Formats: sequence, structure tokens, C-alpha cells
Amino acid sequence: EAGVAQSPRYKIIEKRQSVAFWCNPISGHATLYWYQQILGQGPKLLIQFQNNGVVDDSQLPKDRFSAERLKGVDSTLKIQPAKLEDSAVYLCASSLERKYFGPGTRLTVT
Amino acid sequence: AQTVTQSQPEMSVQEAETVTLSCTYDTSENNYYLFWYKQPPSRQMILVIRQEAYKQQNATENRFSVNFQKAAKSFSLKISDSQLGDTAMYFCAFFLVGTYKYIFGTGTRLKVLA
Repeated sequence: EAGVAQSPRYKIIEKRQSVAFWCNPISGHATLYWYQQILGQGPKLLIQFQNNGVVDDSQLPKDRFSAERLKGVDSTLKIQPAKLEDSAVYLCASSLERKYFGPGTRLTVT
Repeated sequence: AQTVTQSQPEMSVQEAETVTLSCTYDTSENNYYLFWYKQPPSRQMILVIRQEAYKQQNATENRFSVNFQKAAKSFSLKISDSQLGDTAMYFCAFFLVGTYKYIFGTGTRLKVLA
């Protein structure tokens, strides 16, 4: 079974620039999650979609972060403008009964 | 609010030995799941084991088993016959049924020594 795909795997940008991450969940998985994992910490949920509707975005910094899931399949997470503290790995996951994680995108903001 | 605590930031174990990682959680709810996830240096999170709160029997997956103490709100992971490939960060996670919310602990870095 194909896993959760994410791109790019690595991204380096300067502060105040914009960046976008892409996630392709496992086929048929209705629930999609974006997590932010800062080095040395556990993943923190940013946003959760059920099909193309938002279930929980309470921890998403909405002044700079946005996410969408068109047609209930792929999702993009955007940061505009980026700050130094946004440096982290951004994990996408999808689930039916169990959750599968993608490989993550490591973002470095300089 | 639910919380998950992993009190051991780092642990090491000799190859072939057994190690136990601890996890405690706090909730007033009854219908939840608990998970252990493994995150190797490649950073892809992998589900190791899952325990439904309504089940009294401890979950087991090959060399991985849990000690689920519901009253004490404790959920430890035992790794038997440790292998070098077990070296990773291990995260304990709590899932409240019906809310879609997962809460992760801060992780335990496990190093298996040859």
C-alpha cells in the first residue's frame, strides 16, 4: 500500500518569505492532519481535515499559516510570512482506523 | 484537558536486553485509545502498538508489549530482545474517541547499544 507522500522533503528560506508544503494522503483516508514538530519536541497538531472540512484548527497561527484540502484529497500548508521560530519538521498524516505519517518536510528559516 | 507525560527524555539499552519506556496520562474520559509511535532518525513516524481503553488485556506486537494500568493512568512500553534498529524517538499518544484529537508526549530517545 502506498504511504502518505509529502514534498518537498527539505526547504530553506529566509524569514519573511513564503513557503508551501504538499501532502498526498493514502487513498480513501478521509482524515488528514498537519503537525509541526520542533526539534526535541513531540508533534503539535496544526490542523485536521475530515474530507475537505476543517475539524480542528485551534492551534494553527492563522495570521501566517493557512491550509486547504481541495476535493478532500491532497492538502497544502502555507506559511506567509515565515518567522525563525517556524523552523521545524512539518508532518502530514492520514487515517481511517489507524494513522499513517508521511516522511515530513524539514523547514529551516534563516 | 488531556495531558500525556513521558518522564524519561533519554534511555539506552544493550542489544538483546529488555527496556521499558514510561508514559502517564491524565483524562476524565473513559473512551480513548493509547498509542506508542516510533520515529527513527529518518523521521517517519511509525505506529508501534495501540491499546483501547476498554480492553483489559495488554496489547502485544511481537517484541513490543504494553503495561496498561487504567486506574493509575499509566501506559508503559516494553521492548524485549532490543535490536539496533529500535534506536529511535518513542512517542506516547492519547486519542479521545469522538474528538479526533491526538495528544502526544514529549518523547523518549532510545539508543540501543551494540
